[in-house]
Amino acid sequence: GQNIDQPTEMTATEGAIVQINCTYQTSGFNGLFWYQQHAGEAPTFLSYNVLDGLEEKGRFSSFLSRSKGYSYLLLKELQMKDSASYLCAVRDLGGATNKLIFGTGTLLAVQP
Amino acid sequence: GAGVSQSPRYKVTKRGQDVTLRCDPISSHATLYWYQQALGQGPEFLTYFNYEAQPDKSGLPSDRFSAERPEGSISTLTIQRTEQRDSAMYRCASSSTRGGNTGELFFGEGSRLTVL
Repeated sequence: GQNIDQPTEMTATEGAIVQINCTYQTSGFNGLFWYQQHAGEAPTFLSYNVLDGLEEKGRFSSFLSRSKGYSYLLLKELQMKDSASYLCAVRDLGGATNKLIFGTGTLLAVQP
Repeated sequence: GAGVSQSPRYKVTKRGQDVTLRCDPISSHATLYWYQQALGQGPEFLTYFNYEAQPDKSGLPSDRFSAERPEGSISTLTIQRTEQRDSAMYRCASSSTRGGNTGELFFGEGSRLTVL
């Protein structure tokens, strides 16, 4: 089966650092994505991990451990505009499929 | 086109009617996905296409739902005999499978369906 777990909501303070965790169980694995979705808008791509380790991109970093089925998204120097839902998604290569499965999203509220 | 385009943006229909939603992907993208997204939830996979082939339609909720991509470009999602529980945002996304590409999905703005 397929299961992606992430916290439903998180709150953090402007200027701080926040870590959003994601655990997954899929029949196949060919990469993990993080997307950002502001209210009323389409999801937009943030990061991609296919090998273990940390990928850094500006204020955002993403980590993957394939053996543990675990990833996190790290947001540094939080800004008010970072208030959004953060979606963890896994590319499942089970059987003939190549579909991208999303978690339910973590709604991050950044407070002044 | 430059981005993924979906139409209509909003559709209100009465229970029992058929609706067809349209997606025009980024022109160079071979892969096209359909997702259903409820408020406050992540996108739920419905089906996807590689060009005109449909390798996986396991996420379609019932046989009332069908999707086509006959020429490997524009796709339609049709819901027959709509029910109130079909009310949701329907999102289309496309991706490139070219070498060196992460295969990230580019989403359209979505079609919000309301079934009365």
